[in-house]
Amino acid sequence: EPEVTQTPSHQVTQMGQEVILRCVPISNHLYFYWYRQILGQKVEFLVSFYNNEISEKSEIFDDQFSVERPDGSNFTLKIRSTKLEDSAMYFCASAEGGSAYEQYFGPGTRLTVT
Amino acid sequence: SQQGEEDPQALSIQEGENATMNCSYKTSINNLQWYRQNSGRGLVHLILIRSNEREKHSGRLRVTLDTSKKSSSLLITASRAADTASYFCATDAGDPDKLIFGTGTRLQVFP
Repeated sequence: EPEVTQTPSHQVTQMGQEVILRCVPISNHLYFYWYRQILGQKVEFLVSFYNNEISEKSEIFDDQFSVERPDGSNFTLKIRSTKLEDSAMYFCASAEGGSAYEQYFGPGTRLTVT
Repeated sequence: SQQGEEDPQALSIQEGENATMNCSYKTSINNLQWYRQNSGRGLVHLILIRSNEREKHSGRLRVTLDTSKKSSSLLITASRAADTASYFCATDAGDPDKLIFGTGTRLQVFP
């Protein structure tokens, strides 16, 4: 069964460093998402991406964040200058269509900023 | 105020019992989805129910939706220890490009 994959599973970085989180969505899906979950809190929407551009972003997704689909398979989230409060689990998701369709989530990348 | 709030926050039951979790939301929706998350793991999609549907079944899962009350419930029948997880509802809040998750119900099923 196709699944969303994410790498790395755990990333430790120092404050101020740049990190790139990688995702491989399900191959025939057209909509891509990033969410994050701070430990013990609920899952929060960051950004949605369709047709090679951002379709929606949350207040969390400020200028320090960017997304890219550099080729036909990968979908990346870049944080330019990490802060302590960026420590969280980051989930990538993909869907065949918009919110009328199920979103399939990857296993997540645990980002720890020290 | 929260778009999605689950009730109860935590639920402990014995294997074989039924578990009912409720979700309330604030704005109009096109659909509502339920997800399961095992501790420290990713989210697994369980059921999607559209705003024009009232009830949906999948195996031991039964979801109801009452748009007049802006609420949904997830019933797990004949629970198993493996059902132990957090359960979240998520809505589109009428916006096609994102999901808004609730705060979750932590379900513990004792063997």
